[in-house]
Amino acid sequence: DAKTTQPNSMESNEEEPVHLPCNHSTISGTDYIHWYRQLPSQGPEYVIHGLTSNVNNRMASLAIAEDRKSSTLILHRATLRDAAVYYCILKRNFGNEKLTFGTGTRLTIIP
Amino acid sequence: EAQVTQNPRYLITVTGKKLTVTCSQNMNHEYMSWYRQDPGLGLRQIYYSMNVEVTDKGDVPEGYKVSRKEKRNFPLILESPSPNQTSLYFCASSSPQEAGGPLIRQFFGPGTRLTVL
Repeated sequence: DAKTTQPNSMESNEEEPVHLPCNHSTISGTDYIHWYRQLPSQGPEYVIHGLTSNVNNRMASLAIAEDRKSSTLILHRATLRDAAVYYCILKRNFGNEKLTFGTGTRLTIIP
Repeated sequence: EAQVTQNPRYLITVTGKKLTVTCSQNMNHEYMSWYRQDPGLGLRQIYYSMNVEVTDKGDVPEGYKVSRKEKRNFPLILESPSPNQTSLYFCASSSPQEAGGPLIRQFFGPGTRLTVL
């Protein structure tokens, strides 16, 4: 599986936008970029995914670089409830459908 | 409410005493999977199932068994638990958004914290 690199931790002020980066320089043409997050004492939760184009949903936006070697998860207005570990995952849409979680980015929201 | 449930949520047991962790989903999903989460190692897949009676090993299957007799249930069985199986376990399920399409979103259960003494 292609590997992703994320900062170990980030902090952001409440009600401000947050940009969470992910590098995936060895991404292949069939890899989708998925983001999950894990709130304290909970199971992982799907956030968003994309292939080439930028994506928006009610939770976040995903900006994908033109060469697809990096992406950024954007939380437009962080709340305390967004404090979690965020995982950037590359996944091919066939076979096992396994999610390979790295260590993620621990996001702290400052009130 | 669409959800994945796991039972028990917490379990302390002793080495060698067989145990089962149940997982059930109410979304009619074909795909189900078990992960374990350990500090510094992230989540690692134990077993997965593409549909009823179809199961296969993930990355760390040793010491575990699974079965998929019904679509909604995917129990994880530890025949002879050992201390190195002390971990946080998550069950997940998913289904294609359209027939023959890829799985996009996986739903995770709340986790089962297992301690083997």
